[in-house]
Amino acid sequence: DQQVKQNSPSLSVQEGRISILNCDYTNSMFDYFLWYKKYPAEGPTFLISISSIKDKNEDGRFTVFLNKSAKHLSLHIVPSQPGDSAVYFCAASWNSGGSNYKLTFGKGTLLTVNP
Amino acid sequence: EAQVTQNPRYLITVTGKKLTVTCSQNMNHEYMSWYRQDPGLGLRQIYYSMNVEVTDKGDVPEGYKVSRKEKRNFPLILESPSPNQTSLYFCASNSESNEQFFGPGTRLTVL
Repeated sequence: DQQVKQNSPSLSVQEGRISILNCDYTNSMFDYFLWYKKYPAEGPTFLISISSIKDKNEDGRFTVFLNKSAKHLSLHIVPSQPGDSAVYFCAASWNSGGSNYKLTFGKGTLLTVNP
Repeated sequence: EAQVTQNPRYLITVTGKKLTVTCSQNMNHEYMSWYRQDPGLGLRQIYYSMNVEVTDKGDVPEGYKVSRKEKRNFPLILESPSPNQTSLYFCASNSESNEQFFGPGTRLTVL
C-alpha cells in the first residue's frame, strides 16, 4: 500500500519555463511534507518542506503548495534551469511517538530541463 | 563540514558472504536510518535508530541487521546476502528540525 504517490515517473520542460511536480498521499495522519532532489551517484538532498498548518512555502525559485482536502502537494520551480535536472522525491511524516523522524517516500520523478 | 559518510561506495560480492556497510555522521544526530533505492520503488526504509542502543525495523527489514553502539555510527549488516539485496543503499541522519541528511550511497551487487 503506497502511502505517498508520485504518478509521473518523468517530466520534461524547457529552460525558463515552470516545472510542476506532483505528489499525492493517502495517510491523513501525515503532517509534514518534504521534497528532496537527487543527482546520479549522490545521496538525496533536502530541498524544501511544508507543515500541514500551511498551504504554501516559498524558497527562491522553489514553492511547495499543499492541498490537505485533496491530499495533494506540488513543487513549482520557476524559472527552470538545466541544473535542476534530477530525480525529485516527495516525502511525508507524522508525529508518532513525539517525533516526526520517519519519512515515507514516493517513487520519484525524473525532471529534465532542456536548454 | 557536516556530513554523512558511507563505506564502501561500491561492492560486488557473492551470495552468502557476510558483509557490513559502515555509516558515520559528524552532526551529533540522534536519529539515523538506512534506505534502499530500487528502480520503480523509490526509497524504502530498512531500519532506523532513535538513539544509542535503540533500533527498530523500517518497511523492508528482512535480511538485514543493524547496531548502534555509539551515536555517530550506524552500520548495516547483511549476514547472508542474496541477489535480491542488490540495490543502492543510503544512510541518513536527522536534525532536530527533521531535515534528513543522506550519505552518498553504496551500490551493492550480490552475485
